Amino acid sequence: EAGVAQSPRYKIIEKRQSVAFWCNPISGHATLYWYQQILGQGPKLLIQFQNNGVVDDSQLPKDRFSAERLKGVDSTLKIQPAKLEDSAVYLCASSATQSGPRGQFFGPGTRLTVL
Amino acid sequence: AQKVTQAQTEISVVEKEDVTLDCVYETRDTTYYLFWYKQPPSGELVFLIRRNSFDEQNEISGRYSWNFQKSTSSFNFTITASQVVDSAVYFCALRDNYGQNFVFGPGTRLSVLP
Repeated sequence: EAGVAQSPRYKIIEKRQSVAFWCNPISGHATLYWYQQILGQGPKLLIQFQNNGVVDDSQLPKDRFSAERLKGVDSTLKIQPAKLEDSAVYLCASSATQSGPRGQFFGPGTRLTVL
Repeated sequence: AQKVTQAQTEISVVEKEDVTLDCVYETRDTTYYLFWYKQPPSGELVFLIRRNSFDEQNEISGRYSWNFQKSTSSFNFTITASQVVDSAVYFCALRDNYGQNFVFGPGTRLSVLP
């Protein structure tokens, strides 16, 4: 079974530029999550999708961050414009259901550096 | 609001020692789920265990064991006879009954020295 795929793995941009991350969840997984993990901290949930609907985006900075999950499969997370404090690893995760017994399966992450 | 505290920022042990990682949580929910994840140097988070709030039985899986105590809101993780491959950051996490409000603790970095 293929895992959660993310691209790119690394991205370096200058502040005020835009950036987009892509995630392909495990086949058949209805729930998809995006997390931000700042160095030395635990992951912080940004947005949770159930199929192509948003379940929770309470911690998403909506003035600069946006995410979509068209057709309930792949998802993209965009930052526009980026700030220095957005430097972090962006993790995508998926689960078969919202309350699945195994929690979530995580992808390898995208490391973003904002200069 | 839900909160997870892992008071130990970093722990170093020598191989074959036992080590316990502490996790204390806060929630107003009566039904909730607790998790432990491992994040090795490669960076990918790996699921270790899930426990629901109605099941206070301790669990053992090989060298890993978990002690859930609802009375003290703790869900501690013990590694017996630690190995170098156990070196990683370990996260405790909490989720509500509806599969939402997933909150991670700050993590404990474990270094197992040969």
